[in-house]
Amino acid sequence: EDQVTQSPEALRLQEGESSSLNCSYTVSGLRGLFWYRQDPGKGPEFLFTLYSAGEEKEKERLKATLTKKESFLHITAPKPEDSATYLCAVLQDGSEKLVFGKGTKLTVNP
Amino acid sequence: EPEVTQTPSHQVTQMGQEVILRCVPISNHLYFYWYRQILGQKVEFLVSFYNNEISEKSEIFDDQFSVERPDGSNFTLKIRSTKLEDSAMYFCASGLGEGGADTQYFGPGTRLTVL
Repeated sequence: EDQVTQSPEALRLQEGESSSLNCSYTVSGLRGLFWYRQDPGKGPEFLFTLYSAGEEKEKERLKATLTKKESFLHITAPKPEDSATYLCAVLQDGSEKLVFGKGTKLTVNP
Repeated sequence: EPEVTQTPSHQVTQMGQEVILRCVPISNHLYFYWYRQILGQKVEFLVSFYNNEISEKSEIFDDQFSVERPDGSNFTLKIRSTKLEDSAMYFCASGLGEGGADTQYFGPGTRLTVL
């Protein structure tokens, strides 16, 4: 059973068309939830860490939010360079391992 | 900005051969990790390493795998006898070790192809 589920699997947007990516998790004892960006053939690039429900973090056109069951990555007025796969991962009590979702592949068309 | 580096970027090997993947973590980090990603699949945890010993490992990390920090800067993953199913991207990561939910910073990866 997956502990981290991301939706949608793929998302196509026009430049400037805002949207949200979802990450739902079922782990108990969440220590942190992480968002990464991954370009093809590259390593995950860190974006945000969220620690507790209600927390929000922003960076340029991206904003991440966290509830007790899920996190959203909001993309405002995206540009073609925002095209990538966005990965969500969780860290739970008693473990050092990040558990990743399958990711959402975002394509932003000019 | 400090970053994790990995060598080689691509390694091709024959089944049954030993390979060593190398990583240089961020210099003041204390926790080190290896993950792998089979093409089209999720990133999967292999092992974590702290204070010169393995702190956690997954079921994937069996006796064919080992890790070592041979000096103050390098961190290696050895696969003793590679199998076809070991073909994947292998990512090294490091963390500062601040406690709590420490952010893990990833390297660019080594693509391992087993023929």
